[in-house]
Amino acid sequence: RKEVEQDPGPFNVPEGATVAFNCTYSNSASQSFFWYRQDCRKEPKLLMSVYSSGNEDGRFTAQLNRASQYISLLIRDSKLSDSATYLCVGADSSYKLIFGSGTRLLVRP
Amino acid sequence: SAVISQKPSRDICQRGTSLTIQCQVDSQVTMMFWYRQQPGQSLTLIATANQGSEATYESGFVIDKFPISRPNLTFSTLTVSNMSPEDSSIYLCSVERDRNSYEQYFGPGTRLTVT
Repeated sequence: RKEVEQDPGPFNVPEGATVAFNCTYSNSASQSFFWYRQDCRKEPKLLMSVYSSGNEDGRFTAQLNRASQYISLLIRDSKLSDSATYLCVGADSSYKLIFGSGTRLLVRP
Repeated sequence: SAVISQKPSRDICQRGTSLTIQCQVDSQVTMMFWYRQQPGQSLTLIATANQGSEATYESGFVIDKFPISRPNLTFSTLTVSNMSPEDSSIYLCSVERDRNSYEQYFGPGTRLTVT
């Protein structure tokens, strides 16, 4: 079983739609979680950290459920520019990042 | 975040040769890392580049194949030795600026093709 699992997608949604990604992790010792965005042929860029209390940044909302060991990312009012691969990432106490395989999002006009 | 540059951005190499990739950061950072992203895959940590001491390698990666240098707090190199086509990948360095946050920022990557 992979330590961080994501649905690979692709999620194909129209502009303006709301889309949600879920991610599960197997290591209960994981301390921190993140969502990264990776555009084609580019490096991953940190989108947001994920806190137990949940956090919101504009159209993006991230949630962490430690009891169920899953993380979610909600994107509201999707834009064409949101098309990318979204990577769910966990970090253990030794700073090591474990990457999920990514979920592809395609936003169509 | 940090400004991170990598050289070369891409290269095509013959099997059996070696390539050294450089990673430069615009400010001093404690932690620097090297990752590999194989075609269609996610990122895998190769090693942590420790300043002033030997790198810490992850399972499946060894110093003879991927020697790493970290002469100061802003620079590191990764060498891919005795290359084979299986080494064709994107190699990325990353830095962690704040040990309390675990947030890592990535360089633009080096796209390596081995023929």
